Amino acid sequence: DSGVTQTPKHLITATGQRVTLRCSPRSGDLSVYWYQQSLDQGLQFLIQYYNGEERAKGNILERFSAQQFPDLHSELNLSSLELGDSALYFCASGKTGGASPYNEQFFGPGTRLTVL
Amino acid sequence: TQLLEQSPQFLSIQEGENLTVYCNSSSVFSSLQWYRQEPGEGPVLLVTVVTGGEVKKLKRLTFQFGDARKDSSLHITAAQPGDTGLYLCAGVWWRGYGGSQGNLIFGKGTKLSVKP
Repeated sequence: DSGVTQTPKHLITATGQRVTLRCSPRSGDLSVYWYQQSLDQGLQFLIQYYNGEERAKGNILERFSAQQFPDLHSELNLSSLELGDSALYFCASGKTGGASPYNEQFFGPGTRLTVL
Repeated sequence: TQLLEQSPQFLSIQEGENLTVYCNSSSVFSSLQWYRQEPGEGPVLLVTVVTGGEVKKLKRLTFQFGDARKDSSLHITAAQPGDTGLYLCAGVWWRGYGGSQGNLIFGKGTKLSVKP
């Protein structure tokens, strides 16, 4: 158990809909990272928050957004869903803002999103 | 374009055999991490290598970072069924203290199956 929790574990929805994925980081970790994992693209970095502020952006679509709240939990919002958005979405947390060559990240169990 | 190429993609071996998986890039990374992911779970960090030429051992697993910090290898001695999983390498680009981020760039992974 990494100490990172993600809900829900599974989500099935229809195209065009909007969903929210939730992540609670490990106690003491200030950074939250979101990743998308699909069979063809592998694990892709989406976005990072550090202590409530956006720190880095990766391959995140404009239809997707995220935020980190004062209690440090984070939500990833996916809207106007398409079939191709079906994937595993992972949240990871870390102590630092990434300003270290170690940048250790601890991953949650993931949310499997299926768009029908 | 995949910045980190992992090979082989799939590997199926018998218990007791040795194996090596590779992670190659044309880019220089500040450090490189290896993760193992089991079905239905998030990746778990195994090791971080930082210095060119560095070798780290974790029981039967030996990790090496290339001299030029562009590639890495993972060698498993006397593989066991418990080693089965997806092995991911991730490159870290660290822009220095005060820099913005240390994103992880993942390879697509090597799926290892060890048969009893």
